[in-house]
Amino acid sequence: QSALTQPASVSGSPGQSITISCTGTNSDVGDYVSWYQQDPGKAPKLIIYDVSNRPSGVSNRFSGSKSGNTASLTISGLQAEDGADYYCSSYTRTSTLVFGGGTRVTVL
Amino acid sequence: QVQLVESGGGLVKPGGSLRLSCAASGVSLSDYYMSWIRQAPGKGLEWVANIRSGGDIVYYAESVKGRFTISRDNAKKSLSLQMNSLRVEDTAVYYCARAFLPGDWGGRSIRHWGQGTLVTVSS
Repeated sequence: QSALTQPASVSGSPGQSITISCTGTNSDVGDYVSWYQQDPGKAPKLIIYDVSNRPSGVSNRFSGSKSGNTASLTISGLQAEDGADYYCSSYTRTSTLVFGGGTRVTVL
Repeated sequence: QVQLVESGGGLVKPGGSLRLSCAASGVSLSDYYMSWIRQAPGKGLEWVANIRSGGDIVYYAESVKGRFTISRDNAKKSLSLQMNSLRVEDTAVYYCARAFLPGDWGGRSIRHWGQGTLVTVSS
């Protein structure tokens, strides 16, 4: 069981916005939350770090936020290429990294 | 071009050992945390271990503590994972990964990933 809880799946139509939540269960979701996108058979790609920052080259359709013990990833203007698995992670006070269970995004 | 290339994966019996290696090119390692992260077939990501830039401090997931050892050689731009007392549940693709940002809290996000090497533990 992951220390971070994500919905198993989220879907949306092209052009819509969707939000994926990431809630701490037995750990705090601090300020060091990252989000990763993973296509089948590929390595994950960092899309958000430190809750709401985008690395260079990542589309501004991806945005992150946090409220209390829940972090969220929002994908605006959903496109077919956004269909993938998404994982949140949180860095703990003991310098360990925990991942959420992952969310499969389906573009209808 | 940034490349992290893992090697050393394969089939091993329960209780056996395996050593994974990761060679880096096109990217600096010396100022960055390095990590091993694994993914069991059809499952999510699981962090395995971190090592600080100087190699002096390491952290492990509870599931591998006492069995796995992470190490690095900055001069050779390489990372290793010695895996002992392997269990069936250690079966996974193992990714070598470099932190996005340098420094002591750099291990909080991963920018560079290898392509992964498959470790299968089965009798």
